[in-house]
Amino acid sequence: SYELTQPPSVSVSPGQAASITCSGDNLGEKFVCWYQKKPGQSPVVVIYQDNKRPSGIPERFSGSNSGNTATLTISGTQAMDEADYYCQAWDSSTYVFGTGTKVTVL
Amino acid sequence: QMQLQESGPGLVKPSETLSLTCTVSGGSIRSYYWSWIRQPPGKGLEWIGYIYNSGSTNYNPSLKSRVTMSVDTSKNQLSLNLRSVTAADTAVYYCARVAGDGQNFDLWGRGAQATVSS
Repeated sequence: SYELTQPPSVSVSPGQAASITCSGDNLGEKFVCWYQKKPGQSPVVVIYQDNKRPSGIPERFSGSNSGNTATLTISGTQAMDEADYYCQAWDSSTYVFGTGTKVTVL
Repeated sequence: QMQLQESGPGLVKPSETLSLTCTVSGGSIRSYYWSWIRQPPGKGLEWIGYIYNSGSTNYNPSLKSRVTMSVDTSKNQLSLNLRSVTAADTAVYYCARVAGDGQNFDLWGRGAQATVSS
């Protein structure tokens, strides 16, 4: 079965950029979506189709996808961005989530 | 604006069947694919399966033998049945709408906690 691997944690200082990677075989050939998940809340799409932002999502969230790696970048990270982030892709008629990355804003 | 609300018994005994319902309001259930997704405590998100109003389904291979999803268009509701549960099935269960391009989930319910314990 298809697997998506993320680093367990990323730490970032307020105002700095945070990058979260998501690795999978030939991931660049698939569309990747990124979700923000805060405790007690439902996941929220922050990036879809590799690099598109839904309405209401701040411009500091951006995405890219090439080769075997997709990347979510948060520019000018704010305290409110502290959360778990999950990548997700569609493969062989199934949906696959990444292992998740906890972003800590120090 | 469409909204999703999961409901069901919070506590299920081991070996029994976990049954959850997702009520869709503010729009018709007919036009979309729908999924169930869960998150065990301290763990990541796991896709359970999807269903279309025609009854077409596809399930996560790891759960396929125990899962049944259905749609009641008259009530605008989705249902999830998970048989022979164990403590490993303890999780928050979400229903979610599949986006128009079929690639991701663009609308989520608030989630329902299901605990498996005797």
